Amino acid sequence: QVQLVESGGGLVKPGGSLRLSCAASGFTFSDYYMSWIRQAPGKGLEWVSYISSSGSTIYYADSVKGRFTISRDNAKNSLYLQMNSLRAEDTAVYYCARDSKGYSSGFCDYWGQGTLVTVSS
Amino acid sequence: EIVMTQSPATLSVSPGERATLSCRASQSVSSNLAWYQQKPGQAPRLLIYGASTRATGIPARFSGSGSGTEFTLTISSLQSEDFAVYYCQQYNNWPPATFGQGTKLEIK
Repeated sequence: QVQLVESGGGLVKPGGSLRLSCAASGFTFSDYYMSWIRQAPGKGLEWVSYISSSGSTIYYADSVKGRFTISRDNAKNSLYLQMNSLRAEDTAVYYCARDSKGYSSGFCDYWGQGTLVTVSS
Repeated sequence: EIVMTQSPATLSVSPGERATLSCRASQSVSSNLAWYQQKPGQAPRLLIYGASTRATGIPARFSGSGSGTEFTLTISSLQSEDFAVYYCQQYNNWPPATFGQGTKLEIK
């Protein structure tokens, strides 16, 4: 069965950095576009970034552009999100989610359980 | 950026009754709309995509309709496990994909 397991969240000071990881299993990871989506405490969902199956196409939300970097290692079935210059407003649960096979449909059919990032001094 | 507006913010319905949730887009998104269900402490779960196509394993009591700017998620006979927060998401003009603010479906 499809599994997505995020890790790497934690408490970090404003201006600090954190790297999130997502381990995928149960499907051919290298075939799928992947996304990161976040949810601030008690708030709604916000799409953060997506990456194509090969890693050649990447997009970011304006709120994180220039600070966050998405990447993937298809040999390790893993997705990453490098987060730099973190701000209090980046505090959220970060979800790794599967988009579509071979293209980006824009919606996600499987989501991990999320990892909490807290930015606070 | 397309703004998605859901109504009502909270909907109180009794088990066994029908629930109707609404989602409006600030401009046409064609049929490129998805619905998700989220229970406390859990990740969102895809229910509907393409405005009306149920995702794998989703019970038939969930149905979606609409196109353009007006969409509806209907749950025909509410079960106890259906009480949750529901989000709509457009993916017509994306990136960025944008979500509504959610409708909380609670037990009456």
